Amino acid sequence: DAKTTQPPSMDCAEGRAANLPCNHSTISGNEYVYWYRQIHSQGPQYIIHGLKNNETNEMASLIITEDRKSSTLILPHATLRDTAVYYCIVRVNFGNEKLTFGTGTRLTIIP
Amino acid sequence: ETGVTQSPTHLIKTRGQQVTLRCSSQSGHNTVSWYQQALGQGPQFIFQYYREEENGRGNFPPRFSGLQFPNYSSELNVNALELDDSALYLCASSLGRGGDTQYFGPGTRLTVL
Repeated sequence: DAKTTQPPSMDCAEGRAANLPCNHSTISGNEYVYWYRQIHSQGPQYIIHGLKNNETNEMASLIITEDRKSSTLILPHATLRDTAVYYCIVRVNFGNEKLTFGTGTRLTIIP
Repeated sequence: ETGVTQSPTHLIKTRGQQVTLRCSSQSGHNTVSWYQQALGQGPQFIFQYYREEENGRGNFPPRFSGLQFPNYSSELNVNALELDDSALYLCASSLGRGGDTQYFGPGTRLTVL
């Protein structure tokens, strides 16, 4: 079973920041938070991951709370191409650890 | 740098047949993981191969089997196809024994009639 909870759907206006929340209240100390997105019928696309510090790359920012029980993925200037299902996943970074996907958040960018 | 590729893109089979799906890993990656994604659901882990050996398996029956070759490409074989095997099959490659970030291919859409 997925160890994360996400809202099933969200809307965001084009050009605005999209903030996608994720709850992972049972996360262990050695588990990372990963975000992937899946545009309709394509393979999931890796976005970003982090352990406890906030992270930023060319696609997004990841804000992890101090207690690590929740996080927020931020897309700073959403475009129509950001419409997708976004998955928040927690996993350790060793061994044969698989990705356990939940149902994700369906983000719709509104023109 | 070449990304993860999969073939074929689409496939139609009938119940009871066998199918082989192929995956070429990203350049430099030695680990391949396979996932099944039914319509409307998130991907489910099937198994993982690291340096030509199975390195973990999800809750799938033995008729789902795989191979990894010396060049780290991989095959997923499904015998005795059932209607419920209709799904998007995804492979993901990573560097190291499964712990690194996994990068996905575009998937193979399998329809079983």
